[in-house]
Amino acid sequence: KNQVEQSPQSLIILEGKNCTLQCNYTVSPFSNLRWYKQDTGRGPVSLTIMTFSENTKSNGRYTATLDADTKQSSLHITASQLSDSASYICVVTLNNAGNMLTFGGGTRLMVKP
Amino acid sequence: DAGITQSPRYKITETGRQVTLMCHQTWSHSYMFWYRQDLGHGLRLIYYSAAADITDKGEVPDGYVVSRSKTENFPLTLESATRSQTSVYFCASSADRRDTEAFFGQGTRLTVV
Repeated sequence: KNQVEQSPQSLIILEGKNCTLQCNYTVSPFSNLRWYKQDTGRGPVSLTIMTFSENTKSNGRYTATLDADTKQSSLHITASQLSDSASYICVVTLNNAGNMLTFGGGTRLMVKP
Repeated sequence: DAGITQSPRYKITETGRQVTLMCHQTWSHSYMFWYRQDLGHGLRLIYYSAAADITDKGEVPDGYVVSRSKTENFPLTLESATRSQTSVYFCASSADRRDTEAFFGQGTRLTVV
């Protein structure tokens, strides 16, 4: 079964600190892996998209890595800000008709002052 | 306004009633999707559409009906609402290629009483 597992489920860090969120997937055939940020009460917003051949991609203070061999990805947040408090969702796209997305359960990040 | 919009933002309905959630996008994206988001689950695909007049079932289609007579609109109808359909519903759209970004609406919070 195609699955995306994220860890930790929740995380609390102090403002200014770094953190790393993990994503393991069993989705096949693989097309790409995305990280989304979802603020409370809002729809998910894309942070990064990585295809099979890419192993790192940055978007400001967000850096995603992908190891397609071990089927693992991470999202590293540098110098966290209060506005980083949100859920971060790992999403893997199936390489099939319909662009089917398989969503992880998300990591809920809280940044405290 | 440009983008993807959902209406209503909030809806309370009674068990057994029919309710329609609206989704409109202004990019002329080919693909549109309906997801539901529940605590303890990642977003789950209800239905998707690859183009006008082409729709297909996702992971959890039972109890839902969709149509896509125009590219820009993708309404989701609950024919006879049940309490288990209480959820937050997200509409999304993306262009043809599977590696392009999917954009999400702001969500509709539906409560069935």
